[in-house]
Amino acid sequence: DAMVIQNPRYQVTQFGKPVTLSCSQTLNHNVMYWYQQKSSQAPKLLFHYYDKDFNNEADTPDNFQSRRPNTSFCFLDIRSPGLGDAAMYLCATSREGLERNEQFFGPGTRLTVL
Amino acid sequence: RKEVEQDPGPFNVPEGATVAFNCTYSNSASQSFFWYRQDCRKEPKLLMSVYSSGNEDGRFTAQLNRASQYISLLIRDSKLSDSATYLCVVQEYGNKLVFGAGTILRVKS
Repeated sequence: DAMVIQNPRYQVTQFGKPVTLSCSQTLNHNVMYWYQQKSSQAPKLLFHYYDKDFNNEADTPDNFQSRRPNTSFCFLDIRSPGLGDAAMYLCATSREGLERNEQFFGPGTRLTVL
Repeated sequence: RKEVEQDPGPFNVPEGATVAFNCTYSNSASQSFFWYRQDCRKEPKLLMSVYSSGNEDGRFTAQLNRASQYISLLIRDSKLSDSATYLCVVQEYGNKLVFGAGTILRVKS
């Protein structure tokens, strides 16, 4: 089945220790997104790739970086995680060109910062 | 002011009840509108799109009022499996979706 896969599902890291979260998709969608969702809050868009073009949200901290080496994969790098970065990180994909932007989400990676 | 506002609930209803959720959005230029469902500790999934003329999908009915910048979701004959958080979502420029914080629904037997 075509899908969005995130690894790992759970990640524990230490304060200040870099961490990388990965996302892959078999939907062949050209747009990929990273969201941060904290408990009882809305998913917050960090950035997205339209094909290879990177689009950063204005309020995304510099601590968060992303890479998209090819259509199928996208990575979220947190350079120096703080306690406030503990959250669920959701990857999503969509296909540009449709009138309505339905996004398909992966199961998320829950990040704990000790 | 939040871009998309929802009553967080929780709405506690018995099986078979009808329940309605409301949502308001601040950007009058918003293009498309959706309801997503999110189960506890899971990812959001599209429930239905919302059209200006109103639309229905089985027990679910969505309405949009562009003049008032207001979206609603009506669930009839609630099932236990409807228990979840319902996210109101607005598409702004380009690909960007803006999510509300969600309304919690608990259906009890």
